Amino acid sequence: DAGVIQSPRHEVTEMGQEVTLRCKPISGHNSLFWYRQTMMRGLELLIYFNNNVPIDDSGMPEDRFSAKMPNASFSTLKIQPSEPRDSAVYFCASSPGRGHYGYTFGSGTRLTVV
Amino acid sequence: KNEVEQSPQNLTAQEGEFITINCSYSVGISALHWLQQHPGGGIVSLFMLSSGKKKHGRLIATINIQEKHSSLHITASHPRDSAVYICAVNSLQGGGADGLTFGKGTHLIIQP
Repeated sequence: DAGVIQSPRHEVTEMGQEVTLRCKPISGHNSLFWYRQTMMRGLELLIYFNNNVPIDDSGMPEDRFSAKMPNASFSTLKIQPSEPRDSAVYFCASSPGRGHYGYTFGSGTRLTVV
Repeated sequence: KNEVEQSPQNLTAQEGEFITINCSYSVGISALHWLQQHPGGGIVSLFMLSSGKKKHGRLIATINIQEKHSSLHITASHPRDSAVYICAVNSLQGGGADGLTFGKGTHLIIQP
């Protein structure tokens, strides 16, 4: 298995533009997580899905952020409009399922909003 | 106060030294994790613990549930161990959570 695959690896965009980050979880993993890492706040959970259904989105900072999981093999995190304070590394992780706490992380997407 | 506190924040040691990184948490948990992150790199899961002790190569992780404390030890440290080590927990607050709550990380540098 290729692991959790995120794209793009790096994204530089101008303030106000829409940004879409993508994630392909490990096949057979039923839970998918989006995390954000910044120097100031460290790693934070944004949202997670179980069987493609959002379970907890309390970490999503504001309405500019949205996440979808249309099927078991694909998820997106969208920021519209983007702001400089959204600059961070965004990690996707997957897990076999609820109550099973082993995680595999993707390589992350480094987002820079200028 | 953060739910997960790590110490030290930064640690520089000489090759071969025995390393200890500490993690304390203030909430009920179902599991505790130790993660490793190399500069510019992804995050690798080292250990998942709910009790006792685990060992993998030169790495040892322990947890004391009563004291809400965990330690990560590295024996015979090597420059390739230089990385950020992150403690994270699955919190039981709010009826349980599958997502992780993270410490701020310990930046470890092993000098040759």
